[in-house]
Amino acid sequence: GQNIDQPTEMTATEGAIVQINCTYQTSGFNGLFWYQQHAGEAPTFLSYNVLDGLEEKGRFSSFLSRSKGYSYLLLKELQMKDSASYLCAVRDDRRNAGNMLTFGGGTRLMVKP
Amino acid sequence: DADVTQTPRNRITKTGKRIMLECSQTKGHDRMYWYRQDPGLGLRLIYYSFDVKDINKGEISDGYSVSRQAQAKFSLSLESAIPNQTALYFCATSDPRTSGGFTDTQYFGPGTRLTVL
Repeated sequence: GQNIDQPTEMTATEGAIVQINCTYQTSGFNGLFWYQQHAGEAPTFLSYNVLDGLEEKGRFSSFLSRSKGYSYLLLKELQMKDSASYLCAVRDDRRNAGNMLTFGGGTRLMVKP
Repeated sequence: DADVTQTPRNRITKTGKRIMLECSQTKGHDRMYWYRQDPGLGLRLIYYSFDVKDINKGEISDGYSVSRQAQAKFSLSLESAIPNQTALYFCATSDPRTSGGFTDTQYFGPGTRLTVL
C-alpha cells in the first residue's frame, strides 16, 4: 500500500524561505510530484523528482531521497500569492498501472506580511 | 481557452438521483483520470482511461461509472447519488509522449463541486 505524510498547515512570512516536507512509504516508487492548489482551484504542476537530489525551478526547488522515503519543496522569497495548498504525490509503477498517483493530504501554507 | 474543461462547475442534487459530470480536453492527450477531493484526504483516484477502449478502476470506484466517448471526452456518472459522495471532483489528462522522459505529468481541470442532499 501507499502512505504519504505531510504537515497539515504551515505559516511563513513574506520574503522568507519555507520548506514543506513529505515522507512516503510505498511498495513501489516511480517518481514524486509536487502540485500547488489555490483554494477552490485546480492543482497545478510544480515539480517532478525521480532521482535523488535537488531540482531547481526559479523560486521553487524540490529534493528527493529515495533511500529515506523523503522529499521536500523549498519556496524562496515568499510572496503573498504563494498562499496555497501544496500536494505531494507518489507514482507507484509496481501496480502495473503506468501512471497512478497517490496524493498526500496537502499542506496549507499561509504567507503573512 | 482552458485546455481541460469540466461541466457543470457546481451541482446540488438529491439522494438517489443519477448525475453525470463531464470532462473535455483540447490537449490531445490519450490518458484521462477522475479524482475526488475531500478535506484532509487529498485527491483519490476513481477511474482512469489510457485510451478510448481502455477503462480501469482506481482506488475508490464503488458507486461510480465512467464512459470514454472519444479521446477528448471522459464522463463520470453517479448512478444513485448519496450524501457521502459530496466532494470536489477533478478530471485530469496526461500523455507520456509530450512529457520529457517519462514524467507523464497530469494536468487538472477546474473541478466540479458536487453536493448531495
